[in-house]
Amino acid sequence: SAVISQKPSRDICQRGTSLTIQCQVDSQVTMMFWYRQQPGQSLTLIATANQGSEATYESGFVIDKFPISRPNLTFSTLTVSNMSPEDSSIYLCSVSSGYTDTQYFGPGTRLTVL
Amino acid sequence: AQKVTQAQTEISVVEKEDVTLDCVYETRDTTYYLFWYKQPPSGELVFLIRRNSFDEQNEISGRYSWNFQKSTSSFNFTITASQVVDSAVYFCALSEYSSASKIIFGSGTRLSIRP
Repeated sequence: SAVISQKPSRDICQRGTSLTIQCQVDSQVTMMFWYRQQPGQSLTLIATANQGSEATYESGFVIDKFPISRPNLTFSTLTVSNMSPEDSSIYLCSVSSGYTDTQYFGPGTRLTVL
Repeated sequence: AQKVTQAQTEISVVEKEDVTLDCVYETRDTTYYLFWYKQPPSGELVFLIRRNSFDEQNEISGRYSWNFQKSTSSFNFTITASQVVDSAVYFCALSEYSSASKIIFGSGTRLSIRP
């Protein structure tokens, strides 16, 4: 499976600020995804990052709050905008080689908003 | 609608005991995929297994085994001779062919192995 890295691994931010999280894969992948895991909870899909076009967001998530870029087949970013303490979560990216293929996850970014 | 239920919130056993993690799913699709992932305290999500709906064969990988039963919509995970390193949160997950890129995760089972 692909090697996936995320930066930063963790951060502590002040409310009202924004943080951009990077996801880098060591090989080209068809699909990239962003998930949120709130403390003690399961994972929830935020959006599918589409290369060269706008991301596809799940219900409850909007582009203004979570802008996503995917400039090529190995890289994507997720920005958490105008943060509040409720945004404190682990943010994970995942990748798959195809529509029905297994998703493999990055190490996650642990975000704390004060 | 698709749904995954992991009724066991937390399990604690003594090392070397066998432990089974339960997973029950709901789906209307005839083609679907089931997964188990492990999340150790470090936070990363580690893929363990994937099963297609047409493949009901049970699988064994070392101390890990999985029992897939379509008749009861269950996909249970057993760890034999548990070890402290098995301590983690385990997630069962489901995706349907009709929306295969979307994975629905169960709520997770926190497994603690005591020495």
